[in-house]
Amino acid sequence: QLQLQESGPGLVKPSETLSLTCTVSGASISSSTYCWGWIRQPPGQGLEWIGSIFYSESTHYSPSLQSRVTISIDTSKSQFSLKLRSVTAADTAVYYCARHPYSYGAFEFWGQGTLVTVSA
Amino acid sequence: DIQMTQSPSSVSASVGDRVTITCRASQSISSYVNWYQQKPGKAPKLLIYSASSLQSGVPSRFSGSGSGTDFTLTISSLQPEDFATYYCQQSYSTPSCTFGQGTELEIK
Repeated sequence: QLQLQESGPGLVKPSETLSLTCTVSGASISSSTYCWGWIRQPPGQGLEWIGSIFYSESTHYSPSLQSRVTISIDTSKSQFSLKLRSVTAADTAVYYCARHPYSYGAFEFWGQGTLVTVSA
Repeated sequence: DIQMTQSPSSVSASVGDRVTITCRASQSISSYVNWYQQKPGKAPKLLIYSASSLQSGVPSRFSGSGSGTDFTLTISSLQPEDFATYYCQQSYSTPSCTFGQGTELEIK
């Protein structure tokens, strides 16, 4: 059974870089059929897609975040990662990693999510 | 960007009721709409993909319809475990996507 697990610091200072990793188990991260994505949810608010990456390292980012976001993939470790630069309190959210088929963007499998708080 | 406008933002209903949630896209997106259910403290769960296809393991009381710009999620007979928040998502330009703002389904 596919499992995704987010990991990383739960507290980040303003202006610094938020870094999270998603570890994939139970399926190959190198599959040509799927994309791997990051989605976030501020407390009490809705879902926001951050970006997605293909095994070939092709990336797609939300226009509102693309100037600050980098998503990378390490197939040897079965992991993909998120870096969000110059964070502010508005970046405080639960961050989810998830998988979707490349042909249609429905997120079938999700990690449990990890809360990242931006605060001094 | 393609915007998704969900309505209502909240709805109160009773067990056994039929409930419909709608989502309107800012431009035509064919059938590239997906629906999710989210319970407090949990990750979203995919219910419907490609507007009307039921995800494996999801009860048949959930159904989706629509194409172009207007889409609906229907729960035919509400069960106690269905009280949650529901989100639509457009994936017309997959992998790029956007979510609706959510509909909170509450017990009357």
